[in-house]
Amino acid sequence: DAGVIQSPRHEVTEMGQEVTLRCKPISGHNSLFWYRQTMMRGLELLIYFNNNVPIDDSGMPEDRFSAKMPNASFSTLKIQPSEPRDSAVYFCASSSEGGYTFGSGTRLTVV
Amino acid sequence: GENVEQHPSTLSVQEGDSAVIKCTYSDSASNYFPWYKQELGKRPQLIIDIRSNVGEKKDQRIAVTLNKTAKHFSLHITETQPEDSAVYFCAASSGGYQKVTFGTGTKLQVIP
Repeated sequence: DAGVIQSPRHEVTEMGQEVTLRCKPISGHNSLFWYRQTMMRGLELLIYFNNNVPIDDSGMPEDRFSAKMPNASFSTLKIQPSEPRDSAVYFCASSSEGGYTFGSGTRLTVV
Repeated sequence: GENVEQHPSTLSVQEGDSAVIKCTYSDSASNYFPWYKQELGKRPQLIIDIRSNVGEKKDQRIAVTLNKTAKHFSLHITETQPEDSAVYFCAASSGGYQKVTFGTGTKLQVIP
């Protein structure tokens, strides 16, 4: 099992550009979570899906953020337009019976 | 919603000593309490978890205790080693879809 796979590992973009982060959960896991981690705010839950359906997106900071899960093996988190304050590490995690397995994260830098 | 508080925020111990991290939670419906270890620049990784029908669980040098009445749970690391140095997060879950709420983390430094 390759675990939760995220891409890209690093992303540097200019303010105003669109950024798309990708996640492939572990096969058989029915829940998928997107987190953002910063020194100031710690781990913040942005949105999570169960059986590909968005359950709670109350953590999405603004309308600039959107997430989709078109099928059980793929999810995207999009930021459009990006701003410097979006710079953070974005983690995707999946689970089936409780404990999360996190991906390696995407380190996003918006300049 | 659930609120998880974690103390201390930083902890330094001498190698070989024990370390204890404490958490409290607010939602009495929470029934699953995982602990994660995050080394610098890496992903959080599940190290141990406990469910509400159990008061204590042990795995080699780490143990977790749960007091549901007081809504407290703790992580105990014995015979600490330098490789235990990391940030540790507690978490609690009450959601039907396994959503967990994380504490703010404890940075543990084990001094050789």
